[in-house]
Amino acid sequence: DAGVIQSPRHEVTEMGQEVTLRCKPISGHDYLFWYRQTMMRGLELLIYFNNNVPIDDSGMPEDRFSAKMPNASFSTLKIQPSEPRDSAVYFCASSLALGGANTGELFFGEGSRLTVL
Amino acid sequence: AQSVAQPEDQVNVAEGNPLTVKCTYSVSGNPYLFWYVQYPNRGLQFLLKYITGDNLVKGSYGFEAEFNKSQTSFHLKKPSALVSDSALYFCAVRDPHGGGFKTIFGAGTRLFVKA
Repeated sequence: DAGVIQSPRHEVTEMGQEVTLRCKPISGHDYLFWYRQTMMRGLELLIYFNNNVPIDDSGMPEDRFSAKMPNASFSTLKIQPSEPRDSAVYFCASSLALGGANTGELFFGEGSRLTVL
Repeated sequence: AQSVAQPEDQVNVAEGNPLTVKCTYSVSGNPYLFWYVQYPNRGLQFLLKYITGDNLVKGSYGFEAEFNKSQTSFHLKKPSALVSDSALYFCAVRDPHGGGFKTIFGAGTRLFVKA
Protein backbone atom coordinates (compact mmCIF):
# COMPACT_ATOMS: atom_id res chain seq x y z
CA ASP A 1 0.00 0.00 0.00
CA ALA A 2 1.30 3.44 -0.90
CA GLY A 3 0.13 5.00 2.35
CA VAL A 4 -1.53 8.39 2.69
CA ILE A 5 -0.44 10.66 -0.14
CA GLN A 6 -0.41 14.43 0.23
CA SER A 7 0.35 17.13 -2.30
CA PRO A 8 2.02 19.47 -2.61
CA ARG A 9 4.83 18.72 -0.16
CA HIS A 10 5.82 22.38 -0.11
CA GLU A 11 3.85 25.46 -1.01
CA VAL A 12 5.00 29.05 -0.88
CA THR A 13 2.41 31.68 -1.64
CA GLU A 14 1.64 35.29 -1.01
CA MET A 15 -0.90 36.64 1.39
CA GLY A 16 -4.36 36.76 -0.13
CA GLN A 17 -3.85 33.87 -2.51
CA GLU A 18 -5.94 30.72 -2.49
CA VAL A 19 -4.24 27.54 -1.33
CA THR A 20 -5.49 24.02 -1.98
CA LEU A 21 -3.95 21.03 -0.24
CA ARG A 22 -4.78 17.53 -1.40
CA CYS A 23 -4.94 14.14 0.22
CA LYS A 24 -5.44 10.58 -0.94
CA PRO A 25 -6.18 8.28 2.01
CA ILE A 26 -5.29 4.62 2.25
CA SER A 27 -7.73 2.59 0.22
CA GLY A 28 -10.50 1.10 2.36
CA HIS A 29 -10.07 3.49 5.26
CA ASP A 30 -13.30 4.93 6.60
CA TYR A 31 -12.00 8.04 8.34
CA LEU A 32 -9.98 10.98 7.13
CA PHE A 33 -8.47 13.69 9.31
CA TRP A 34 -6.83 17.03 8.67
CA TYR A 35 -4.35 18.28 11.27
CA ARG A 36 -2.21 21.41 11.42
CA GLN A 37 1.19 21.45 13.14
CA THR A 38 2.94 24.59 14.33
CA MET A 39 5.65 25.19 16.90
CA MET A 40 3.35 27.37 18.97
CA ARG A 41 0.17 25.28 18.95
CA GLY A 42 1.43 21.75 18.29
CA LEU A 43 -0.90 19.36 16.45
CA GLU A 44 -4.43 20.67 16.05
CA LEU A 45 -7.30 18.65 14.65
CA LEU A 46 -9.05 20.77 12.05
CA ILE A 47 -11.74 18.44 10.75
CA TYR A 48 -12.49 14.79 10.24
CA PHE A 49 -14.70 12.81 7.88
CA ASN A 50 -16.38 9.45 8.14
CA ASN A 51 -17.40 7.82 4.86
CA ASN A 52 -16.87 11.16 3.10
CA VAL A 53 -19.17 13.05 5.49
CA PRO A 54 -17.73 15.78 7.75
CA ILE A 55 -18.27 14.74 11.36
CA ASP A 56 -16.50 17.39 13.39
CA ASP A 57 -15.20 20.66 11.99
CA SER A 58 -14.95 22.48 15.30
CA GLY A 59 -11.20 22.84 14.85
CA MET A 60 -11.41 24.78 11.60
CA PRO A 61 -9.98 28.18 12.55
CA GLU A 62 -12.33 30.40 10.60
CA ASP A 63 -14.40 30.74 7.48
CA ARG A 64 -11.31 31.10 5.35
CA PHE A 65 -10.76 27.39 5.79
CA SER A 66 -12.88 24.76 4.06
CA ALA A 67 -12.51 21.03 3.51
CA LYS A 68 -14.24 18.63 1.19
CA MET A 69 -14.23 14.93 0.53
CA PRO A 70 -16.03 14.32 -2.75
CA ASN A 71 -15.24 10.61 -2.75
CA ALA A 72 -13.53 7.94 -0.68
CA SER A 73 -10.16 8.46 -2.30
CA PHE A 74 -9.74 12.23 -2.27
CA SER A 75 -9.98 15.19 0.06
CA THR A 76 -9.01 18.84 -0.17
CA LEU A 77 -8.29 21.53 2.39
CA LYS A 78 -8.67 25.03 1.00
CA ILE A 79 -7.61 28.34 2.47
CA GLN A 80 -8.99 31.46 0.84
CA PRO A 81 -7.63 34.04 1.31
CA SER A 82 -4.40 32.85 2.91
CA GLU A 83 -2.63 34.82 5.64
CA PRO A 84 0.91 34.59 7.05
CA ARG A 85 -0.42 33.08 10.28
CA ASP A 86 -1.65 30.10 8.25
CA SER A 87 1.97 29.05 7.72
CA ALA A 88 2.27 25.53 9.13
CA VAL A 89 2.61 21.90 8.20
CA TYR A 90 -0.76 20.39 7.31
CA PHE A 91 -1.16 16.67 7.79
CA CYS A 92 -3.76 14.34 6.42
CA ALA A 93 -4.36 11.02 8.18
CA SER A 94 -6.70 8.12 7.59
CA SER A 95 -7.97 5.26 9.70
CA LEU A 96 -10.15 2.20 9.69
CA ALA A 97 -13.36 2.12 11.65
CA LEU A 98 -13.30 0.59 15.09
CA GLY A 99 -14.13 -3.06 15.38
CA GLY A 100 -12.41 -6.39 15.66
CA ALA A 101 -8.69 -5.85 15.59
CA ASN A 102 -9.10 -2.29 14.33
CA THR A 103 -8.66 0.21 17.10
CA GLY A 104 -8.42 3.29 15.04
CA GLU A 105 -4.78 4.24 14.96
CA LEU A 106 -4.05 6.94 12.46
CA PHE A 107 -1.89 6.63 9.39
CA PHE A 108 -0.33 9.97 8.49
CA GLY A 109 0.85 11.40 5.23
CA GLU A 110 4.17 13.19 4.95
CA GLY A 111 2.55 16.59 5.28
CA SER A 112 2.27 19.76 3.22
CA ARG A 113 4.48 22.59 4.42
CA LEU A 114 2.74 25.90 3.72
CA THR A 115 4.50 29.23 3.83
CA VAL A 116 2.42 32.36 3.33
CA LEU A 117 4.51 35.47 2.73
CA ALA B 1 -13.61 17.13 26.86
CA GLN B 2 -10.57 14.95 26.40
CA SER B 3 -7.05 16.27 26.82
CA VAL B 4 -3.52 14.98 27.08
CA ALA B 5 -0.43 16.46 28.69
CA GLN B 6 3.23 15.76 28.10
CA PRO B 7 4.99 17.57 30.93
CA GLU B 8 8.48 17.47 29.43
CA ASP B 9 9.45 19.41 26.34
CA GLN B 10 12.66 17.44 26.06
CA VAL B 11 14.19 14.29 27.48
CA ASN B 12 17.91 13.59 27.31
CA VAL B 13 19.30 10.12 27.81
CA ALA B 14 22.56 8.33 27.11
CA GLU B 15 22.61 5.46 24.66
CA GLY B 16 22.07 2.16 26.41
CA ASN B 17 20.22 3.71 29.33
CA PRO B 18 16.50 3.26 29.91
CA LEU B 19 14.20 6.03 28.81
CA THR B 20 10.80 7.26 29.92
CA VAL B 21 8.60 9.81 28.19
CA LYS B 22 5.68 10.90 30.34
CA CYS B 23 2.03 11.35 29.41
CA THR B 24 -1.09 12.04 31.43
CA TYR B 25 -4.62 12.25 30.09
CA SER B 26 -8.11 13.38 30.93
CA VAL B 27 -11.23 11.78 29.51
CA SER B 28 -14.67 11.18 30.90
CA GLY B 29 -14.72 7.47 30.21
CA ASN B 30 -12.29 4.68 29.45
CA PRO B 31 -9.69 6.04 27.07
CA TYR B 32 -7.99 4.71 24.01
CA LEU B 33 -4.34 5.77 24.30
CA PHE B 34 -1.67 5.95 21.64
CA TRP B 35 1.96 6.84 21.14
CA TYR B 36 3.30 8.16 17.85
CA VAL B 37 6.81 9.14 16.74
CA GLN B 38 7.79 11.84 14.28
CA TYR B 39 11.17 12.06 12.56
CA PRO B 40 12.31 15.33 10.97
CA ASN B 41 10.25 16.39 7.97
CA ARG B 42 8.10 13.26 8.18
CA GLY B 43 4.57 12.40 9.18
CA LEU B 44 3.72 10.76 12.47
CA GLN B 45 4.13 7.00 12.79
CA PHE B 46 2.11 4.80 15.12
CA LEU B 47 4.14 3.10 17.88
CA LEU B 48 1.67 1.42 20.21
CA LYS B 49 -1.78 1.63 21.77
CA TYR B 50 -3.73 0.75 24.85
CA ILE B 51 -7.38 -0.17 24.43
CA THR B 52 -8.13 -2.65 27.19
CA GLY B 53 -6.55 -5.58 29.01
CA ASP B 54 -2.96 -5.81 30.18
CA ASN B 55 -1.69 -2.48 31.46
CA LEU B 56 1.71 -3.02 29.86
CA VAL B 57 1.59 -2.82 26.10
CA LYS B 58 4.44 -3.48 23.71
CA GLY B 59 4.95 -1.78 20.40
CA SER B 60 7.37 -1.13 17.60
CA TYR B 61 11.15 -0.72 17.92
CA GLY B 62 11.28 -2.15 21.44
CA PHE B 63 9.05 0.50 22.98
CA GLU B 64 6.46 -0.25 25.61
CA ALA B 65 4.01 1.78 27.64
CA GLU B 66 2.28 1.32 30.95
CA PHE B 67 -1.31 2.33 31.48
CA ASN B 68 -2.09 3.50 35.01
CA LYS B 69 -5.74 4.29 35.50
CA SER B 70 -5.44 5.67 39.02
CA GLN B 71 -2.76 8.13 37.95
CA THR B 72 -4.33 8.68 34.51
CA SER B 73 -0.93 8.13 32.96
CA PHE B 74 0.44 6.32 29.94
CA HIS B 75 4.23 6.65 30.04
CA LEU B 76 6.37 5.46 27.15
CA LYS B 77 9.41 3.39 28.04
CA LYS B 78 12.32 1.57 26.50
CA PRO B 79 14.86 -0.50 28.45
CA SER B 80 17.87 0.54 26.36
CA ALA B 81 17.87 3.69 24.26
CA LEU B 82 19.46 3.96 20.82
CA VAL B 83 20.76 7.09 19.12
CA SER B 84 18.29 6.36 16.34
CA ASP B 85 15.43 6.75 18.84
CA SER B 86 16.05 10.51 18.83
CA ALA B 87 12.81 12.03 17.55
CA LEU B 88 9.63 13.82 18.59
CA TYR B 89 7.16 11.66 20.50
CA PHE B 90 3.45 12.32 20.80
CA CYS B 91 0.94 10.85 23.19
CA ALA B 92 -2.66 10.81 21.97
CA VAL B 93 -6.03 10.06 23.48
CA ARG B 94 -9.44 9.21 22.18
CA ASP B 95 -12.64 9.04 24.18
CA PRO B 96 -14.60 6.41 22.23
CA HIS B 97 -17.77 7.01 24.20
CA GLY B 98 -17.90 10.78 24.41
CA GLY B 99 -15.56 12.02 21.72
CA GLY B 100 -16.38 9.88 18.76
CA PHE B 101 -13.36 9.32 16.62
CA LYS B 102 -11.62 12.55 17.60
CA THR B 103 -7.98 11.91 18.49
CA ILE B 104 -6.27 14.62 20.52
CA PHE B 105 -2.48 14.88 20.69
CA GLY B 106 -0.17 16.16 23.36
CA ALA B 107 2.36 18.89 22.68
CA GLY B 108 5.10 16.39 22.01
CA THR B 109 8.35 15.52 23.78
CA ARG B 110 11.65 15.71 22.00
CA LEU B 111 13.93 12.80 22.85
CA PHE B 112 17.68 13.19 22.48
CA VAL B 113 19.78 10.06 22.84
CA LYS B 114 23.48 10.80 23.15
CA ALA B 115 26.09 8.30 22.01
